[in-house]
Amino acid sequence: LAKTTQPISMDSYEGQEVNITCSHNNIATNDYITWYQQFPSQGPRFIIQGYKTKVTNEVASLFIPADRKSSTLSLPRVSLSDTAVYYCLVGPIKAAGNKLTFGGGTRVLVKP
Amino acid sequence: NAGVTQTPKFQVLKTGQSMTLQCAQDMNHEYMSWYRQDPGMGLRLIHYSVGAGITDQGEVPNGYNVSRSTTEDFPLRLLSAAPSQTSVYFCASSATLRGTSGGNEQFFGPGTRLTVL
Repeated sequence: LAKTTQPISMDSYEGQEVNITCSHNNIATNDYITWYQQFPSQGPRFIIQGYKTKVTNEVASLFIPADRKSSTLSLPRVSLSDTAVYYCLVGPIKAAGNKLTFGGGTRVLVKP
Repeated sequence: NAGVTQTPKFQVLKTGQSMTLQCAQDMNHEYMSWYRQDPGMGLRLIHYSVGAGITDQGEVPNGYNVSRSTTEDFPLRLLSAAPSQTSVYFCASSATLRGTSGGNEQFFGPGTRLTVL
């Protein structure tokens, strides 16, 4: 089971780009990298998922280097409403049960 | 689609009482799970199910029971509530676990905030 390490917290300002790096040194060949966002008093929400190189959607980009031992979630031009906790998960594409583990996450605070 | 629904939103119990947290999904998802989240912490998996009639333990199963008689419903039962079970409980579901297409995106319910006195 791949263990993930991410910063506990990050501060940013409105309009800036926020980059959160997650380390997963023992990622397995069939593991995917998935990021979730959680607002206070709400359940987590899926943001983005990738296997290698770069993935982009309307919310974020995910950069994965060739060795896949880390990944970076990039949030472009953040607003106050992006203040949330962001979780990095690593597991098989069809993972279930204990293969989907949430760590402590990164608490992002966007200031005006 | 309503997605994943949970009831109740809030609950206060006394030590030793039992209760059932309800979870339902209308997306025909095979996989359902229960997590608890303590203040300032990440989510910890309690129990999960990969289909009707199949359940298994997660990271912190003690003091909780589950059953999955239908695809839609996955109730979580607290047998004898303890103050250590004060937490926010989230139910989640995701689509079929078979095949190689699609991801493992989980859809979460709004949570049940439980206080045990």
